[in-house]
Amino acid sequence: DAGITQSPRHKVTETGTPVTLRCHQTENHRYMYWYRQDPGHGLRLIHYSYGVKDTDKGEVSDGYSVSRSKTEDFLLTLESATSSQTSVYFCAISDGGRSQDTQYFGPGTRLTVL
Amino acid sequence: TQLLEQSPQFLSIQEGENLTVYCNSSSVFSSLQWYRQEPGEGPVLLVTVVTGGEVKKLKRLTFQFGDARKDSSLHITAAQPGDTGLYLCAGDNNDMRFGAGTRLTVKP
Repeated sequence: DAGITQSPRHKVTETGTPVTLRCHQTENHRYMYWYRQDPGHGLRLIHYSYGVKDTDKGEVSDGYSVSRSKTEDFLLTLESATSSQTSVYFCAISDGGRSQDTQYFGPGTRLTVL
Repeated sequence: TQLLEQSPQFLSIQEGENLTVYCNSSSVFSSLQWYRQEPGEGPVLLVTVVTGGEVKKLKRLTFQFGDARKDSSLHITAAQPGDTGLYLCAGDNNDMRFGAGTRLTVKP
């Protein structure tokens, strides 16, 4: 298994509070991704990173920001959580580009915004 | 509207039966991937198909990429309870997009 961990694994928070999710990898892969998974929608890309301090928006980036200060860590921040951001969040990594290489997924973080 | 439509959404069968699930789109993809996801875990890649008409086999699983590279199917022969999970397809069109998945339950 690819060395990807996510923390926390579960979180319950209130509307309007900031939330940060962490993804940590031990594979030294260049690309890291944040997805959300919702019933009926599959996995949707929020943001991705192609190197330290290099990030770009995905399909559903509104209300989210990311940071990557080290190769191994990719943080996802919900600046002011809303109930529509209740979801399961997955981090993924790949060595090649977004459409060129196998993505390995972490175990997910279940976030509930009340 | 999903770029990739997967059908059926849910499928419940008995051990030993055969099944086919589908992944359809109006877009052409340079490649298509199939993943399996178990409860509480992230998706795991099963196969990547690249060439139109390509067929790949992985033990009891047979994957086919449509000739026009717009659709794909996954056939499972003699399903087992261990095949239970969410099967996701993902198409590469300079941007990887996922379908919503088929949730398969195989009863002993």
